[in-house]
Amino acid sequence: DAKTTQPPSMDCAEGRAANLPCNHSTISGNEYVYWYRQIHSQGPQYIIHGLKNNETNEMASLIITEDRKSSTLILPHATLRDTAVYYCIVIGNTGKLIFGQGTTLQVKP
Amino acid sequence: ETGVTQTPRHLVMGMTNKKSLKCEQHLGHNAMYWYKQSAKKPLELMFVYNFKEQTENNSVPSRFSPECPNSSHLFLHLHTLQPEDSALYLCASSHTGQGNYNEQFFGPGTRLTVL
Repeated sequence: DAKTTQPPSMDCAEGRAANLPCNHSTISGNEYVYWYRQIHSQGPQYIIHGLKNNETNEMASLIITEDRKSSTLILPHATLRDTAVYYCIVIGNTGKLIFGQGTTLQVKP
Repeated sequence: ETGVTQTPRHLVMGMTNKKSLKCEQHLGHNAMYWYKQSAKKPLELMFVYNFKEQTENNSVPSRFSPECPNSSHLFLHLHTLQPEDSALYLCASSHTGQGNYNEQFFGPGTRLTVL
């Protein structure tokens, strides 16, 4: 499964859009990009996933570049409750979720 | 609420004790997982069960013994643990097959402290 690179931390003002980047330059054609988040002392929570098209659901949008080597998770109107560690995971045939260090997003009032 | 429950939420045990962690899912999933999250470290996959059969053991020491009696329940039996086994133990479940296999639903975890 392809490795991902994320910034260790980011800040975002409450009410503004939070854009979390992820690099996955070694991704192969059948590998999906998944995003999870983990609020402090809770279990991880699935957010969204995609293969090559942009995706949107009630929580977030996922923008995947045309070459699929990077993606951005967008939380359109961040709230204090969105403060969490966000994990970008690329999954292929193994089906395993391999969590890295993720990006700690701090939403500030 | 994710539909995955774990008990107990907190557990303190001595190195000579035997205890069990329980996980139950109410989502109709057929795959269940145990993860370990130590302080300042990423989550580590420990075991995977698919239709009650163990399909993954990620080189976990034998002092951790999983049991999956049916697709809704998963246990982790603990004995003669070490202080370095203190961690948050997370259970997850998912469907198997194409599409949603990797949309895993996690429980709240059991915070384990080994004295």
